[in-house]
Amino acid sequence: QQQVKQSPQSLIVQKGGISIINCAYENTAFDYFPWYQQFPGKGPALLIAIRPDVSEKKEGRFTISFNKSAKQFSLHIMDSQPGDSATYFCAASTEGGSEKLVFGKGTKLTVNP
Amino acid sequence: DTEVTQTPKHLVMGMTNKKSLKCEQHMGHRAMYWYKQKAKKPPELMFVYSYEKLSINESVPSRFSPECPNSSLLNLHLHALQPEDSALYLCASSRRMGPTEAFFGQGTRLTVV
Repeated sequence: QQQVKQSPQSLIVQKGGISIINCAYENTAFDYFPWYQQFPGKGPALLIAIRPDVSEKKEGRFTISFNKSAKQFSLHIMDSQPGDSATYFCAASTEGGSEKLVFGKGTKLTVNP
Repeated sequence: DTEVTQTPKHLVMGMTNKKSLKCEQHMGHRAMYWYKQKAKKPPELMFVYSYEKLSINESVPSRFSPECPNSSLLNLHLHALQPEDSALYLCASSRRMGPTEAFFGQGTRLTVV
């Protein structure tokens, strides 16, 4: 019940296309859903996060869509660029508690020029 | 300043060596974390400090010894490691425990020979 299932494992997109990464969870106590971007040899960087009181959050080319009833959330990268090529991790936690961040297994995104 | 600084960036140590990893943040965050990340895997939580007190130890072997000298610093002391401990060690911090908006450092790439 503590798992976050992430798909696909890898994704290849052409420059200018839309990249979509999906995550699903079981634990209804989760109330904070961040996405992290990680370049090779670097630490994960917080990209965007959402709480379940909203269904969508947009920051620039990055959008999180959240479906509370389906217990799913997804990251959409519009106008994907080669510089977006990285590994993306979704995660979930309960805010303010002692629960740890539960990470998905990651998606390696490659954006071809 | 949203930076978590880790030193050294790279470390090679023998199985009989003693070494320390260091982490520093000046964001006033009161929760600090150590994570271990193997290649192509998500980060795995090792320890959590909240207000300079150890709050969570994820059953980490005693050859890893954390220390939090003050609210800005976090150390990880290493002794008698095994080759399988080779990984990227990540430090993170957040305003309070319950890892909302956790910021990660760049990591220390550790190789045990």
